[in-house]
Amino acid sequence: AAGVIQSPRHLIKEKRETATLKCYPIPRHDTVYWYQQGPGQDPQFLISFYEKMQSDKGSIPDRFSAQQFSDYHSELNMSSLELGDSALYFCASSSPGPPRDGYTFGSGTRLTVV
Amino acid sequence: GNSVTQMEGPVTLSEEAFLTINCTYTATGYPSLFWYVQYPGEGLQLLLKATKADDKGSNKGFEATYRKETTSFHLEKGSVQVSDSAVYFCALNFSGGYNKLIFGAGTRLAVHP
Repeated sequence: AAGVIQSPRHLIKEKRETATLKCYPIPRHDTVYWYQQGPGQDPQFLISFYEKMQSDKGSIPDRFSAQQFSDYHSELNMSSLELGDSALYFCASSSPGPPRDGYTFGSGTRLTVV
Repeated sequence: GNSVTQMEGPVTLSEEAFLTINCTYTATGYPSLFWYVQYPGEGLQLLLKATKADDKGSNKGFEATYRKETTSFHLEKGSVQVSDSAVYFCALNFSGGYNKLIFGAGTRLAVHP
């Protein structure tokens, strides 16, 4: 079965650079969520999209932005990168219709800022 | 607010030992409850879930029962294996909306032969 695809798997950037992370949800899933997991930390919710509109916002820095496109894939854009942005970034998707009882996560993008 | 509290790790067990990882939650309303597992270097995998009180989720020998009276969702396994070594996250969300998952801090389990 198709899963949530994230790219790239690994990314190394320097401070003050920009990065773009991509997420391709499971076919027919209309909702995408982004989470950030620092070393040894629990995943923290960043932002979510439903039908290409932002549906919820968490602890996402102003330096980050995201969008969901017409094919439902999503991109997380990160600018002016800081060392503290080094983390595992997960995308998850969920299917339409109630109940929304759980998501499918991608394998994550590990971002290292040096 | 809504939150999840897990027992601190690491939990270190010998193979075939009994496992319990405690999870309690605070929520306004009636959430769905989940356990996710994260193996080293990998993403989050749904282990089991329960969507209403007294439901029991089970998978791969793991079980957890949704206890509304104690607001708990403790994870148990009767006989752990080395391959169960991972980080386990308890989480909640509210079905029927677009709400995010709220995770506990995670509990690292190390199983030795």
